[in-house]
Amino acid sequence: GAGVSQSPSNKVTEKGKDVELRCDPISGHTALYWYRQRLGQGLEFLIYFQGNSAPDKSGLPSDRFSAERTGESVSTLTIQRTQQEDSAVYLCASSRSRIYYEQYFGPGTRLTVT
Amino acid sequence: TQLLEQSPQFLSIQEGENLTVYCNSSSVFSSLQWYRQEPGEGPVLLVTVVTGGEVKKLKRLTFQFGDARKDSSLHITAAQTGDTGLYLCAGPSGNTGKLIFGQGTTLQVKP
Repeated sequence: GAGVSQSPSNKVTEKGKDVELRCDPISGHTALYWYRQRLGQGLEFLIYFQGNSAPDKSGLPSDRFSAERTGESVSTLTIQRTQQEDSAVYLCASSRSRIYYEQYFGPGTRLTVT
Repeated sequence: TQLLEQSPQFLSIQEGENLTVYCNSSSVFSSLQWYRQEPGEGPVLLVTVVTGGEVKKLKRLTFQFGDARKDSSLHITAAQTGDTGLYLCAGPSGNTGKLIFGQGTTLQVKP
């Protein structure tokens, strides 16, 4: 079946603008995670969804960041009033359940804030 | 706060050489995972180690989980150019399944 897909693959935006990043998880995967990866670095956890609820938002860096998920399907990560330090690759991963730790990652969205 | 430290951060070797990448923590993890990431793609899971002292082999790659479950290593025998990439270790934190990642080891294998 299809893997995790993300769109857009690249986004260039001006400082102060809002952006929306989309993630389509693997069908049937109830758990969904967003991570951020700065150039050449490891991944930082942002938010976890179980179904359409987000029991762990502890990694969101500021209130400019928000996310939602429709049922056990698409998720959108929104960054308001973007700043240059928001430039990074945003990765989405899905998993069959939170206790099944094998996460499948999408290719990411590279965000550049100019 | 759980942290994973990887070393070395960069490794450039010739094809055919052996190498080892280390992943260390002061915290105990229930399991550790190793991922490989190529440019423009998301990380791909290579292996999960669960039991202290466990050794798993995947062709030329050997993964070990420390007895105390605080560290892991990845050993590659006779590296090939196709092994080039970013290698990441990760461990679960809390009960949500979220992963804590090391900062990664960039491996370049030259022909």
